[in-house]
Amino acid sequence: DQQVKQNSPSLSVQEGRISILNCDYTNSMFDYFLWYKKYPAEGPTFLISISSIKDKNEDGRFTVFLNKSAKHLSLHIVPSQPGDSAVYFCAASVYGGSQGNLIFGKGTKLSVKP
Amino acid sequence: SQTIHQWPATLVQPVGSPLSLECTVEGTSNPNLYWYRQAAGRGLQLLFYSVGIGQISSEVPQNLSASRPQDRQFILSSKKLLLSDSGFYLCAWSQDRAAGNTIYFGEGSWLTVV
Repeated sequence: DQQVKQNSPSLSVQEGRISILNCDYTNSMFDYFLWYKKYPAEGPTFLISISSIKDKNEDGRFTVFLNKSAKHLSLHIVPSQPGDSAVYFCAASVYGGSQGNLIFGKGTKLSVKP
Repeated sequence: SQTIHQWPATLVQPVGSPLSLECTVEGTSNPNLYWYRQAAGRGLQLLFYSVGIGQISSEVPQNLSASRPQDRQFILSSKKLLLSDSGFYLCAWSQDRAAGNTIYFGEGSWLTVV
């Protein structure tokens, strides 16, 4: 049973346009959400996070939106750049909960075409 | 600043042989430490986590084991590798739970069991 779902395994976007990566979760106890970016054969890199007391968090070109009622979050990248091409993982946890309960989605592979 | 390193980066081992992957964290004390695996076409799966020296929690039953002989050292081992153990192994760390559950990953280790 997947508690964190990224239903799109891949996404292709033109350079300069917006990339929107989606993530759904089922566990209503989750209150802290993170996005990671991963290049092939490298460890994931933390990008941005959001707690459930917010519905938006912005960091440069990256914005994460949280819709608690829909149990849905999304990562917006504007403008998209070829260097953004990577696999993006959504993750969720209970803030301050027992360690080790960061649940990851299966990832979405983003391709940004020049 | 904190850094995390794991080695070796690439490993090809025959079935039935032992395994030892090592991970160290610098620049922090009493971190929470994790071993994840990313198998082909799958997301990030938590294997083990540790909140302190000698304290190991296993998330998935398998023929792998983990040990934490020192505060900032985490070791993943196996006595006899299986073909299904092939994958990309990631060590990670986080601060204590009061700082949230953002996890930072190492560079990863590719294991191919032949």
